[in-house]
Amino acid sequence: DGGITQSPKYLFRKEGQNVTLSCEQNLNHDAMYWYRQDPGQGLRLIYYSQIVNDFQKGDIAEGYSVSREKKESFPLTVTSAQKNPTAFYLCASSIGLAGVEQFFGPGTRLTVL
Amino acid sequence: QQQVKQSPQSLIVQKGGISIINCAYENTAFDYFPWYQQFPGKGPALLIAIRPDVSEKKEGRFTISFNKSAKQFSLHIMDSQPGDSATYFCAAGQANAGKSTFGDGTTLTVKP
Repeated sequence: DGGITQSPKYLFRKEGQNVTLSCEQNLNHDAMYWYRQDPGQGLRLIYYSQIVNDFQKGDIAEGYSVSREKKESFPLTVTSAQKNPTAFYLCASSIGLAGVEQFFGPGTRLTVL
Repeated sequence: QQQVKQSPQSLIVQKGGISIINCAYENTAFDYFPWYQQFPGKGPALLIAIRPDVSEKKEGRFTISFNKSAKQFSLHIMDSQPGDSATYFCAAGQANAGKSTFGDGTTLTVKP
C-alpha cells in the first residue's frame, strides 16, 4: 500500500525534553511538509522540503527542527525551546514541487506532561 | 496576514440539506484551489479541487463554485448526510510557491 506513515500515534514527553516525530512516505513524492494543528484550529506550516538535503521554514518554525536525508523520510524534532508543544502534528507530501495537492499522514498527538 | 479566509467556523445542517462553505483569497497569483475533509483524530484528505479557468466543478454530491473576479470560492455539499460530518478546509496554492495556504476550517455537523 502506498501512503504516508507517522509514528508514534500518541507521544508523551516531559517538559525540557526533545522529541522526534517520524514521517515516511512511499509515494515517491518530491515535497514533504509538517503542520501543527491545535484544537479547533487550522493547519499551521512548520517546515517544508522540496528536495533532499534542503528545507524551508514555514510560519511557525521556532522551537522545531527537521532533516531530509532521504526522499522518503522527513522527521520533525520538537525541541525544549518550543514553549507550547502540545498539539496534533501532521505530515504531508505532494507530487512535484508546487505543493498544491497534498496527501496527509494520520498524525501524531504530542502531549507534554 | 491571513491570505485565505474561510467561513463559517461551524455549520449545522439537517440531513438532506445543502451545506455551503465559503472561502476568500487575496493573492491573485493563486492558481489551484483544493478542499480537504478531516474526520476527528485523522489526517485531512483531498476532497475536490478546481483551477481558475473553470467556474464550477462537480464530483458526486460535492461541487466547487469559483468566482475569479470576486476572489472567492465555495464548497457545496448536496443532500448532506451524517457521514459528511467533519472539518472542511479550503486551500490555495500556486505552482511556483512550493506550498499551499489553508483556511482555518469549518466544522460541519449533519443532524439525522
